Amino acid sequence: DIQMTQSPSTLSASVGDRVTITCRASQSISSWLAWYQQKPGKAPKLLIYKASSLESGVPSRFSGSGSGTEFTLTISSLQPDDFATYYCQQYNSFPWTFGQGTKVEIK
Amino acid sequence: EVQLVQSGAEVKKPGESLKISCKGSGYSFTSYWIGWVRQMPGKGLEWMGIIYPGDSDTRYSPSFQGQVTISADKSISTAYLQWSSLKASDTAMYYCARVVGPARNYYYGMDVWGQGTTVTVSS
Repeated sequence: DIQMTQSPSTLSASVGDRVTITCRASQSISSWLAWYQQKPGKAPKLLIYKASSLESGVPSRFSGSGSGTEFTLTISSLQPDDFATYYCQQYNSFPWTFGQGTKVEIK
Repeated sequence: EVQLVQSGAEVKKPGESLKISCKGSGYSFTSYWIGWVRQMPGKGLEWMGIIYPGDSDTRYSPSFQGQVTISADKSISTAYLQWSSLKASDTAMYYCARVVGPARNYYYGMDVWGQGTTVTVSS
């Protein structure tokens, strides 16, 4: 199985901050990576697919980059609605696997 | 509107069987994979498997192979997740989600999610 490791596990930030979350794969997954946002009690929401493509309707302050084994999710200016947990997921090969999540908290 | 609607919360005893459902609407149900994801209390997301309702082609995570069965009834646009003998460790929220991609075996991610079904297994 491909292991996905996110860092940090928790991130404290303020409104307006630029935030970066890293996701590393245990082997190359090309660009077959998605990012999701999950708020408490809610289903996950797709933000980014194919490592850097913005899902329709997602604000442009979200961006993704990377290929191979290292990927980043960046929020250019953190908004109150962005405090949530973020997950990466690889779909290069079965079984698909998620990172352990990064919780973005209010500083 | 594209949506997936899951069946309601379940409370079961260890050893009991269970089948939860996920009904799709607003799109061609047979043309998109449906995935199942587990989230144990306070924990992260775990990918369980996917099914292609058009022909019931199914892929499982080895962690869940043999523990659950994923199926679909395309005539009623519904996917299922079932257990034959529940354990306390099956207590979790279960989500279904539509898999989107440019072709059948090329995937971009899961773009539409059900609201989740809470399964509680307790004696």
